Amino acid sequence: QVQLVQSGAEVKKPGASVKVSCKASGYTFTDYAIQWVRQAPGQRLEWMGWINTGNGNTKYSEKVQGRVTITRDTSASTAYMELSSLRSEDTAMFYCARGGQQWLPDYWGQGTLVTVSS
Amino acid sequence: QSVLTQPPSASGTPGQRVTISCSGSSSNIGINNVNWYQQLPGTAPKLLIYTNNQRPSGVPDRFSGSKSGTSASLAISGLQSEDESDYYCAAWDDSLNGPVFGGGTKLTVL
Repeated sequence: QVQLVQSGAEVKKPGASVKVSCKASGYTFTDYAIQWVRQAPGQRLEWMGWINTGNGNTKYSEKVQGRVTITRDTSASTAYMELSSLRSEDTAMFYCARGGQQWLPDYWGQGTLVTVSS
Repeated sequence: QSVLTQPPSASGTPGQRVTISCSGSSSNIGINNVNWYQQLPGTAPKLLIYTNNQRPSGVPDRFSGSKSGTSASLAISGLQSEDESDYYCAAWDDSLNGPVFGGGTKLTVL
């Protein structure tokens, strides 16, 4: 069965960076894109970016462009999302999701809570 | 960033039918498919409806979706207490070249 397993919760200070991993199993990793979505406490789901796991191409939302980098390791069937220059408003649950039909998320990881606090 | 518009809340009694709307634009729902997700408290979203009206395996047929123009709807018939959850719509946005999400609708079963 399709599974996406993310790395554990992180606590970071303002200005630091965080890197979250997302290990996929149960399907051919390079056949589907990976989307990264975050959800601040009590807020809507917000798309951050995607990676074409086949060729490594990426696209980021304007809101985080310049601070986010999404990469993948095909040998490990794992995608990564790194967010730099963290600020308190980046405190959120970060999800990876497989891009299914029309690249919309179908299967989701369990989420990684990133807390930014001095 | 483009977003989709949902009512913040909806409610119904057990056995009733409720609908949740999702309004978009010509760059997203108007030309692309819509997914719906259910998010129980403290958990990741779960795919409920894909490609406007298709149910993944395991999703009860009490859940149905539709799309017309730049709007979509999720209908839940035979409402049950376990349906109390947050529901989100999503569609690909060609201007953004990424997905956009609704603000979520909190469904309360009275």
